[in-house]
Amino acid sequence: QPVLTQSPSASASLGASVKLTCTLSSGHSSYAIAWHQQQPEKGPRYLMKVNSDGSHNKGDGIPNRFSGSSSGAERYLTISSLQSEDEADYYCQTWGTGLVVFGGGTKLTVL
Amino acid sequence: EVHLVESGGGLVQPGGSLRLSCSASGFAFSSYAMHWVRQAPGKRLEDVSTLNSDGGYTYYADSVKGRFTISRDNSKNTMYLQMSSLRAEDTAVYYCVKEGSITLIPGTYFDYWGQGTLVTVSS
Repeated sequence: QPVLTQSPSASASLGASVKLTCTLSSGHSSYAIAWHQQQPEKGPRYLMKVNSDGSHNKGDGIPNRFSGSSSGAERYLTISSLQSEDEADYYCQTWGTGLVVFGGGTKLTVL
Repeated sequence: EVHLVESGGGLVQPGGSLRLSCSASGFAFSSYAMHWVRQAPGKRLEDVSTLNSDGGYTYYADSVKGRFTISRDNSKNTMYLQMSSLRAEDTAVYYCVKEGSITLIPGTYFDYWGQGTLVTVSS
């Protein structure tokens, strides 16, 4: 199974943009991943699936401010026009057969 | 609209048992693999168990193998997690999660999560 690495924290100002990174372990650069958002005291919510070619498929009702991209073993989540409700933990997820794998999560602070 | 509603959590003593249920609606439940994912306080998400659409394939994390049993009743649109020999380290919020595409065996992205049910193992 691949391992996913995320920076523990990130911050950006209200109205600005931020790009979060999820890195796949060596030998797994072709894997797709999914991004999930977890707001404080809530369950996670699916944002989008990001493929190795950078194409992405967003979940129901996810605003256009959220977009995904790829480069090599890195998968990105970009949030533009940051709003206060974007302050949350963001997890990436990937899969093989059976159980899935999560990254450690990035805590995003909106300043 | 997809809804996943967990129930059955609570306080249990070490060594005890508990059965979680997940009631699903808004999609063809019998077509999708499902998962139980947990999150201990301050910890990352952990996929503890999954089963395919007809329950013929099941997978367990090493941390729960031999103690937890996953099952489903497609006639009731419900999934279960029978937990026994519970330990303090099983304390977590348990989420019911739906896979995002139809597959023969589990292993793809998640597209819907329940709100979670808290399991606390303590004397």
